[in-house]
Amino acid sequence: GESVGLHLPTLSVQEGDNSIINCAYSNSASDYFIWYKQESGKGPQFIIDIRSNMDKRQGQRVTVLLNKTVKHLSLQIAATQPGDSAVYFCAENKGNTGGFKTIFGAGTRLFVKA
Amino acid sequence: EAQVTQNPRYLITVTGKKLTVTCSQNMNHEYMSWYRQDPGLGLRQIYYSMNVEVTDKGDVPEGYKVSRKEKRNFPLILESPSPNQTSLYFCASSNPPLMDTQYFGPGTRLTVL
Repeated sequence: GESVGLHLPTLSVQEGDNSIINCAYSNSASDYFIWYKQESGKGPQFIIDIRSNMDKRQGQRVTVLLNKTVKHLSLQIAATQPGDSAVYFCAENKGNTGGFKTIFGAGTRLFVKA
Repeated sequence: EAQVTQNPRYLITVTGKKLTVTCSQNMNHEYMSWYRQDPGLGLRQIYYSMNVEVTDKGDVPEGYKVSRKEKRNFPLILESPSPNQTSLYFCASSNPPLMDTQYFGPGTRLTVL
């Protein structure tokens, strides 16, 4: 993921609207991608994952899209709720080809307006 | 309950005073990892371990040591802490070979004066 310096990108959405959070990853050899949600004062929590042989995966109210051509990952949250307010991180796992390292993006802060 | 625990949760120390942050998981995971989180920089991997007695450097290993003598424990050691190691630290664990989500501990907020 990209480093965006000291200021997190912020997304503000109205309750009930759909949210789209984007992430650019760094290594075309990465083979597993994950989205995490981090609430204030807590550790990151798994939301959804996708392997490099897929381009879309759906969960409950969430969808992850992977575009390997442009090394882009997105998280779509349907019918966003106040409880979705948090910082969202994308992460790429390099597995066998990258020494089993995990690289996190800088994160996006999602605000949900009631 | 499946969980990753860290101790202490908060620590204020002074430059040069050796400290250890403990991490323990009860999920029989082989892979464990330490991250530090700083404002605007996301999480950066310090060290990771594929299994007992197998450790390797992440992206920011300088100033840190780890050990993996038992499967469930992965302590982070700062031999001579410096103020630039003031950060929020997370331990995580997962199943091998990392094609699975990592479970994170609650975090340890360290301040080095």
